[in-house]
Amino acid sequence: DADVTQTPRNRITKTGKRIMLECSQTKGHDRMYWYRQDPGLGLQLIYYSFDVKDINKGEISDGYSVSRQAQAKFSLSLESAIPNQTALYFCATSDWDGGPDTQYFGPGTRLTVL
Amino acid sequence: DQQVKQNSPSLSVQEGRISILNCDYTNSMFDYFLWYKKYPAEGPTFLISISSIKDKNEDGRFTVFLNKSAKHLSLHIVPSQPGDSAVYFCAASARNRDDKIIFGKGTRLHILP
Repeated sequence: DADVTQTPRNRITKTGKRIMLECSQTKGHDRMYWYRQDPGLGLQLIYYSFDVKDINKGEISDGYSVSRQAQAKFSLSLESAIPNQTALYFCATSDWDGGPDTQYFGPGTRLTVL
Repeated sequence: DQQVKQNSPSLSVQEGRISILNCDYTNSMFDYFLWYKKYPAEGPTFLISISSIKDKNEDGRFTVFLNKSAKHLSLHIVPSQPGDSAVYFCAASARNRDDKIIFGKGTRLHILP
């Protein structure tokens, strides 16, 4: 079984709809992240959480919100989806111990906003 | 302002030859540098890392070199294989607990037959 899972894997929605992307992990890591990937733009950080009570905005948080329901679950919501939010979304986890902050990524969610 | 830069969007290399992917950074406070590999329709996977106190780290066909004075690192793949065709992300992190990892924009590597 995958250590980091994302649901759904693909989603097509319409402008103005609210949608939620979910991420679960079995790695026992405290840190969780949401990224989006657009062609040629690499990985842009949306939100991150260093533990259940700690939520932080990333580079591109406008139009998004998150919820850390438990150590293992971190959800990303698009309050009112717009076409330029069409992208690949990745969840990641890490367990920082003073060394390299190695992140483990989920398989991604391909979101299309029409 | 980009703290981690990968200036080559793509690179083509003949199978069996050496692939060299480059990365530059601006923040001298970074303590670790990492390389990730990403196939289409999959999430990035960790490949190799290097501490800022070292200048080389090797793992099988993959070697990362760090030149701190030039704020430059490179990933060498020898010999290149078809399965190495992917997007490679350079990343950097600091030892400070509140700092988060910073990714470059990636370089797409094509291994030619």
